[in-house]
Amino acid sequence: SQTIHQWPATLVQPVGSPLSLECTVEGTSNPNLYWYRQAAGRGLQLLFYSVGIGQISSEVPQNLSASRPQDRQFILSSKKLLLSDSGFYLCAWSAQVPGTGESPLHFGNGTRLTVT
Amino acid sequence: AQKITQTQPGMFVQEKEAVTLDCTYDTSDPSYGLFWYKQPSSGEMIFLIYQGSYDQQNATEGRYSLNFQKARKSANLVISASQLGDSAMYFCAMSHQGGKLIFGQGTELSVKP
Repeated sequence: SQTIHQWPATLVQPVGSPLSLECTVEGTSNPNLYWYRQAAGRGLQLLFYSVGIGQISSEVPQNLSASRPQDRQFILSSKKLLLSDSGFYLCAWSAQVPGTGESPLHFGNGTRLTVT
Repeated sequence: AQKITQTQPGMFVQEKEAVTLDCTYDTSDPSYGLFWYKQPSSGEMIFLIYQGSYDQQNATEGRYSLNFQKARKSANLVISASQLGDSAMYFCAMSHQGGKLIFGQGTELSVKP
C-alpha cells in the first residue's frame, strides 16, 4: 500500500533562517506531488505542484521554493524565513490518472512551522 | 475563476443524528471532481468521499453520502448516525486543472453526547 512520510512534525525557526521540509512517498511511482499551507483555522492554499522529476509549478508568489530531485521525493525550502511563513504545511500525493479520471489527494501528517 | 464556498464555520449535532455540511462551488470547467476531507485536531487530512461531475448517482461511502446538485452547483456532505469521533474540521474541495485541488474554508463539526 502507499504511504507518505513528512518530517519534521513540528519546527520552530528564527526569522531569517533557512528551511527544508522533506516529503517522501512509498508504494507508488510517478505520483503528482503537492505542497499546501494551512493558516490557523483556515482552508488549504496550494503552494507547489509537481507532475515529475524536476517539474515544479508555483501557485503563489512567495518566499518559498520546491524541488523534486527524485520521483517520490518533494522538498520545500526557503533561504530566509519570514514571520508570515508560519503555518501548517502539508505534503500530498495523487496518482496520475489518464483521461478525465480523478484521483484523490493523500496527505502526510503535516509540519507545524513557527517562525519567531 | 474556480471557487469553493463553505458557509457554515461551525455546526453542532447530537450523537446518532444525521448532519448536512454545505458546499457550493463555481467553475467553468466542463469536467471536475468534488471531494470531502476530514481534519481531526491532530491535523492529518483524511479523504472521505469523491463525486465526479458526470456521475449520475450521488456518491456514498459508509455513513458518508454526497448530495450532488449540479444545476445548483452544490455538493453537500451528509453524515448519518453521527459519532463522537466525527468531531473535526471538514473541507470541501474541487479539482482544478487536472489533479490540483482548491479547498473551501472548512466547517467545524462538534458532535454532542
